[in-house]
Amino acid sequence: AQSVTQLDSQVPVFEEAPVELRCNYSSSVSVYLFWYVQYPNQGLQLLLKYLSGSTLVKGINGFEAEFNKSQTSFHLRKPSVHISDTAEYFCAVRNTGFQKLVFGTGTRLLVSP
Amino acid sequence: ETGVTQSPTHLIKTRGQQVTLRCSSQSGHNTVSWYQQALGQGPQFIFQYYREEENGRGNFPPRFSGLQFPNYSSELNVNALELDDSALYLCASSAPQGADTEAFFGQGTRLTVV
Repeated sequence: AQSVTQLDSQVPVFEEAPVELRCNYSSSVSVYLFWYVQYPNQGLQLLLKYLSGSTLVKGINGFEAEFNKSQTSFHLRKPSVHISDTAEYFCAVRNTGFQKLVFGTGTRLLVSP
Repeated sequence: ETGVTQSPTHLIKTRGQQVTLRCSSQSGHNTVSWYQQALGQGPQFIFQYYREEENGRGNFPPRFSGLQFPNYSSELNVNALELDDSALYLCASSAPQGADTEAFFGQGTRLTVV
């Protein structure tokens, strides 16, 4: 079984500042890793994914994440945030053989002017 | 190419009633998964349908059931509604199973049980 831990329930940050949202996972098998964003009253949109290869993954809207197998982490970063980045961010994991996604509890990113 | 659409967007039901939620999968996708997202929580996997058959289920009781139709659209049925069933229900569709398969989510159905 897999599990995902997002330690920060809320991250406040000023506009144009850098941000890191933390994600740690647990799994006894190889996994794929994902970050999704959810805007108010909307579904989930994929930001980026790690399947294999380079551990640094670039996604949409200027986000990137780094897979660290030894620390079982997949932290999300953005060098300069915008007000429009205010949303809920979910880290998710799935094993390589089945499409069931296991999500963390989410991190609310609050960007203020 | 149309995306994943869910209906209705909102509904209110009374405890003990039954509800059916609907999902139209994205064109070319034959796999549909359903998730329950309680307020302030991450989505929880309910079950998945592949080519009209359930091929995986999360930790949900049997009163949560589903169907997938030949056009790959899907329904989620919940019987004997409880107050704790109040949540956002998300449908996700994906292409034939493979490593590089991405799940595309609909906007969700907000169910309130009173």
